[in-house]
Amino acid sequence: DQQVKQNSPSLSVQEGRISILNCDYTNSMFDYFLWYKKYPAEGPTFLISISSIKDKNEDGRFTVFLNKSAKHLSLHIVPSQPGDSAVYFCAARGTASKLTFGTGTRLQVTL
Amino acid sequence: DTGVSQDPRHKITKRGQNVTFRCDPISEHNRLYWYRQTLGQGPEFLTYFQNEAQLEKSRLLSDRFSAERPKGSFSTLEIQRTEQGDSAMYLCASSLEAGPRPYEQYFGPGTRLTVT
Repeated sequence: DQQVKQNSPSLSVQEGRISILNCDYTNSMFDYFLWYKKYPAEGPTFLISISSIKDKNEDGRFTVFLNKSAKHLSLHIVPSQPGDSAVYFCAARGTASKLTFGTGTRLQVTL
Repeated sequence: DTGVSQDPRHKITKRGQNVTFRCDPISEHNRLYWYRQTLGQGPEFLTYFQNEAQLEKSRLLSDRFSAERPKGSFSTLEIQRTEQGDSAMYLCASSLEAGPRPYEQYFGPGTRLTVT
């Protein structure tokens, strides 16, 4: 069963605008959530994380919001830049510190 | 470069052959993880080590797969009698359990395996 879901396979946003990537999860035992960015032929690059006891974490242009009651988190990128074009994965930490990943959302930032 | 490194980056092998991949984690990280990623999917957990001890293995890790981390530093992942279904990107990650953010895992560039 898919415990972490990213229902939007792709997203296109204009440069300078906000990008919002969404993620839903089912397992209430997850204690941390992470976002990774991945370019083709490279490994995932860590972007930002949030503890399950927080509702917001901000780092520069990236902000992650967590709605624990809805089991939903989102990554906001403001302003979006062409270099942000990549596949973004949501991940959740469960037992044994293993990460469970979503299927990814491909973000395209257009000029 | 002090990041996670993996070798080789690409491997093409014939069905039935054995292959071995290597991962060198960030030097002070005591936890090391192996994941597998197939097209259109996110990485899936295979196994992880704390120092030299292998603490958990996924059901995805069949008997043909074996992983080691003999001295608690680099790790190897061996696949015996490869099958076409083993074709995937194999990713290694590491983390520092006692650090301020032990949940953050840092990934290497991956080894892309193609079984023909």
